[in-house]
Amino acid sequence: QKEVEQNSGPLSVPEGAIASLNCTYSDRGSQSFFWYRQYSGKSPELIMSIYSNGDKEDGRFTAQLNKASQYVSLLIRDSQPSDSATYLCAVNMGRGSQGNLIFGKGTKLSVKP
Amino acid sequence: DTAVSQTPKYLVTQMGNDKSIKCEQNLGHDTMYWYKQDSKKFLKIMFSYNNKELIINETVPNRFSPKSPDKAHLNLHINSLELGDSAVYFCASSQSTGKNSPLHFGNGTRLTVT
Repeated sequence: QKEVEQNSGPLSVPEGAIASLNCTYSDRGSQSFFWYRQYSGKSPELIMSIYSNGDKEDGRFTAQLNKASQYVSLLIRDSQPSDSATYLCAVNMGRGSQGNLIFGKGTKLSVKP
Repeated sequence: DTAVSQTPKYLVTQMGNDKSIKCEQNLGHDTMYWYKQDSKKFLKIMFSYNNKELIINETVPNRFSPKSPDKAHLNLHINSLELGDSAVYFCASSQSTGKNSPLHFGNGTRLTVT
């Protein structure tokens, strides 16, 4: 069974704090990982992708990947109320070169002013 | 200049009816998808087409039939609608079927079956 697990939250952090969102996945052979942000009533939008072990930084966002632990996380520094949304972890679990993006159920983040 | 556009945005219909949702992308991508997001916000793949060919067909009732007239369009036809079909349906596209190709989503179609 191909699964992506996330804590559904809600995760509540004060403005300016670091928000830490976590995700685990079942397929050890997975090679590409994505974080999407979805505001209420809107479509998911890509915010980060990561393919190699370690950290990848983009502005206030840092994605961290540990393939041995089958774990991927997203850190949001200096959290803003506008970051309040549901964050979806997505892992590509396709066979061979074929993509098949499996989504977690999402973590709802609330940033309090 | 919307990248992935789907119509209609809202669809309210009665059980037993047949309805279609249309999707078009102008990104020049080769691969298009249909995802279903249920009331618990779980986003699940239904179908994937690459250059008009079906490549992913998850366990979806036969009442759902995708059609891709060309690589820029992927439509979804649903027969004999049931209450459980109520959800938001998202069309998406990616540059290729490759594992490193992220998805670009349309704005979604909220289907309500009464």
